[in-house]
Amino acid sequence: ELKVEQNPLFLSMQEGKNYTIYCNYSTTSDRLYWYRQDPGKSLESLFVLLSNGAVKQEGRLMASLDTKARLSTLHITAAVHDLSATYFCAEWVSGGSEKLVFGKGTKLTVNP
Amino acid sequence: GAVVSQHPSRVICKSGTSVKIECRSLDFQATTMFWYRQFPKQSLMLMATSNEGSKATYEQGVEKDKFLINHASLTLSTLTVTSAHPEDSSFYICSAKRLAHEQFFGPGTRLTVL
Repeated sequence: ELKVEQNPLFLSMQEGKNYTIYCNYSTTSDRLYWYRQDPGKSLESLFVLLSNGAVKQEGRLMASLDTKARLSTLHITAAVHDLSATYFCAEWVSGGSEKLVFGKGTKLTVNP
Repeated sequence: GAVVSQHPSRVICKSGTSVKIECRSLDFQATTMFWYRQFPKQSLMLMATSNEGSKATYEQGVEKDKFLINHASLTLSTLTVTSAHPEDSSFYICSAKRLAHEQFFGPGTRLTVL
C-alpha cells in the first residue's frame, strides 16, 4: 500500500525556535516534494528533492532526502509567524500509473 | 515559474445541477494534468489523471460517470461534476505536469452544493 506518513500532524512553536517535520514514505521513490498551503489557498511548491542525499534550503526552511531510509525532513530554523501554514510532503510514484501521493500534512503554528 | 489557472475560483450550485471546472496551463503545454479533491482539514486526494487525447485514468473509488474529465488540448482539461450533491462540496485542485519532475498546481475551485 502506498503510504506517506508525516509527523507531527500539528506543531505549535514559538518564534525563534527550531523544529523538524518528518516524512516517511513507502516506495523506493527518489523524488520527494514539499509544499506549503495557506488557509483557503492552493499549494505552493517549496522543494523538489530528486536524489539520495539531496539537501535544499530556502530562507529558514531546509529539506533533505534519505532514499535508503525512505525519509525526508523539513527543518525550520528560527521560526517566524509568517511560516504558519500547513506543510505537505508528497512522493512521486512511478511504474504503471504515475502520481503524487501526499502525506496528511503538518499544520504549523508559530506563536509570537 | 509556470502558471496554471482554474476557472471558476468559487461556485455555488443547487443539488442536482452539473458544474464544469476548467484547468489551463498558461505558458506551457501539458500532456498530463491531474485532478485532486481536498476536504476541509484533510490532505489532497488524487481523483484522476487526465492525458491529452485519451481517456482519463480514475483512482479507485472515484465514479467516472459522475466526475467527467476531458483533456481536449495540451493546455486545457475540464472536470464536470454531474448531478452534484452536498457531499461533493469540496476544494478541487488541478495540476499540470511540464517535465518529468515538474508539476504546477492551479489556485483551486471551491465548490459548494446547496
